[in-house]
Amino acid sequence: KQEVTQIPAALSVPEGENLVLNCSFTDSAIYNLQWFRQDPGKGLTSLLLIQSSQREQTSGRLNASLDKSSGRSTLYIAASQPGDSATYLCAVSPPEAWNTGKLIFGQGTTLQVKP
Amino acid sequence: DTGVSQDPRHKITKRGQNVTFRCDPISEHNRLYWYRQTLGQGPEFLTYFQNEAQLEKSRLLSDRFSAERPKGSFSTLEIQRTEQGDSAMYLCASSHDTIYEQYFGPGTRLTVT
Repeated sequence: KQEVTQIPAALSVPEGENLVLNCSFTDSAIYNLQWFRQDPGKGLTSLLLIQSSQREQTSGRLNASLDKSSGRSTLYIAASQPGDSATYLCAVSPPEAWNTGKLIFGQGTTLQVKP
Repeated sequence: DTGVSQDPRHKITKRGQNVTFRCDPISEHNRLYWYRQTLGQGPEFLTYFQNEAQLEKSRLLSDRFSAERPKGSFSTLEIQRTEQGDSAMYLCASSHDTIYEQYFGPGTRLTVT
């Protein structure tokens, strides 16, 4: 059974710092991995999608990497800003993604960026 | 706005009542998903539609829960005889048939008193 873990559960950093959020999964057989952002009481915003054949994806100040063999992904945020404060969730899609809708989520890392 | 929309955004109901939520996906997406999220947890998969066909249901979806997507466009999720344990955020997402990147709506927060 696939399990997704995000460590740490919470993180507080001063503005301007570069930071890394971690995501690990127990079964390396995945179709893709998505990183999401969730503001309090809101829905999820898709940040980056990495296909299983890819090693990384970049969008602005965000860079996500994927190491399937070790079951790990990282989300790197450069030059953090107070507006980056939110909960960040990673989710994996099983290899039979063509036949199932299921995303399996971690519990998230709640980030606070202090001015 | 062409994103996923959900209605209502908030629902407060008394235990034992029935509730129904609506989700309108992105128009060109033929896949639609429902998830449930409790405080401090990641979303948990409930069910999935491809067009009007419900292809997968989680064990979390008890007999009191039913979902439909009658014309392959919007979807409804009904909870009968609500219990306090049903209190959660109910999230809807949609995706294209071949790209699989899921886009989420704002969610419906259910509180059962």
